[in-house]
Amino acid sequence: NAGVTQTPKFQVLKTGQSMTLQCAQDMNHEYMSWYRQDPGMGLRLIHYSVGAGITDQGEVPNGYNVSRSTTEDFPLRLLSAAPSQTSVYFCASSYGAASGGETQYFGPGTRLLVL
Amino acid sequence: AQKVTQAQTEISVVEKEDVTLDCVYETRDTTYYLFWYKQPPSGELVFLIRRNSFDEQNEISGRYSWNFQKSTSSFNFTITASQVVDSAVYFCALSEALGNKLVFGAGTILRVKS
Repeated sequence: NAGVTQTPKFQVLKTGQSMTLQCAQDMNHEYMSWYRQDPGMGLRLIHYSVGAGITDQGEVPNGYNVSRSTTEDFPLRLLSAAPSQTSVYFCASSYGAASGGETQYFGPGTRLLVL
Repeated sequence: AQKVTQAQTEISVVEKEDVTLDCVYETRDTTYYLFWYKQPPSGELVFLIRRNSFDEQNEISGRYSWNFQKSTSSFNFTITASQVVDSAVYFCALSEALGNKLVFGAGTILRVKS
């Protein structure tokens, strides 16, 4: 198992550009999520999905879109990048959320710099 | 609203010292889950432990131990005989009863010097 994979590892964007951060998992996990990590703030939830075709907003969703067409993939789209979106982005997955508190496993992260 | 506080921003110790990382949480739920993750300098997040609110038994895993006290809403993490490889950022996190949304603390940077 590759676990949770993320591409790219590092990206530089100019303000206003769009891009998609890719996330895939091969563990047949129902639950997937995106977090951003900023200095001194820990990780904050952007969007999450409890299964294919179902997504919902987390704590900091503005400026980001997601979709979940397959169980394996959960891409994160930045429609018009802003310097405030400079951060490290982590994708995570876990088994179903029905019972709550499932352990989430994280990808290696994508470091994004918006100029 | 749920909240996790890690008051220690940074801790420096000398190798072989014991060190405790503090975690205090707030939640209205009676059922919840607590986690610790380690982020070494390479940047990945490594799962260390999961504990549910009904299990207050302390846990020991090698040099690591965790002290969960509902009375003080704390879930502290102790490393015994610290090693340089323990140098990392450590995050405490809280999850509600239903769903897997994690609320993280700000993290504690642990520096272990040889």
